[in-house]
Amino acid sequence: DAKTTQPTSMDCAEGRAANLPCNHSTISGNEYVYWYRQIHSQGPQYIIHGLKNNETNEMASLIITEDRKSSTLILPHATLRDTAVYYCIVRGYNDYKLSFGAGTTVTVRA
Amino acid sequence: DARVTQTPRHKVTEMGQEVTMRCQPILGHNTVFWYRQTMMQGLELLAYFRNRAPLDDSGMPKDRFSAEMPDATLATLKIQPSEPRDSAVYFCASGLGGVYNEQYFGPGTRLTVT
Repeated sequence: DAKTTQPTSMDCAEGRAANLPCNHSTISGNEYVYWYRQIHSQGPQYIIHGLKNNETNEMASLIITEDRKSSTLILPHATLRDTAVYYCIVRGYNDYKLSFGAGTTVTVRA
Repeated sequence: DARVTQTPRHKVTEMGQEVTMRCQPILGHNTVFWYRQTMMQGLELLAYFRNRAPLDDSGMPKDRFSAEMPDATLATLKIQPSEPRDSAVYFCASGLGGVYNEQYFGPGTRLTVT
């Protein structure tokens, strides 16, 4: 049973912000939202995670709604190298498992 | 720049042969994971080790797959005998465990069984 729902694909213009949505309406209070991405022919790469506050790091920002039922990953200035499959994952406190769904295929176009 | 390394990167073998894949986790990481990725099934967790002890191997076909950590710097995944349906990319990941438990993935081993 999928814990997250993401669009299958989206396009983004190079240099523009890419906003990737994720629905997780059944998230529980101690579950975190994680984002990973997988560039073609590489292993998945950790991007960011959050519980309820918005988070930002050198790669991206994560905006979580107040009810925590959805979130948005923001790549502030997308480059061609950001073309990848992006996975939104809900994960419990101290839960070792990462359950990868189908993700969103993001294509950044020049 | 610490990275997870995996060998070999590519392996082509015939059905029935033994296949061994190796992983060197990032130094100091105490958790190791093996995943398999196929077009049909996506990324699936095969096994999980913490402090070299196998804590979860429920994702592995028990009759032909085995995973071990002979020491803290080496994890192995073995398939014997291999079958065409084992063709996939096998990823190893390591992490520090604990609250955040970010996992750092290696480049994968692409296995083709003919």
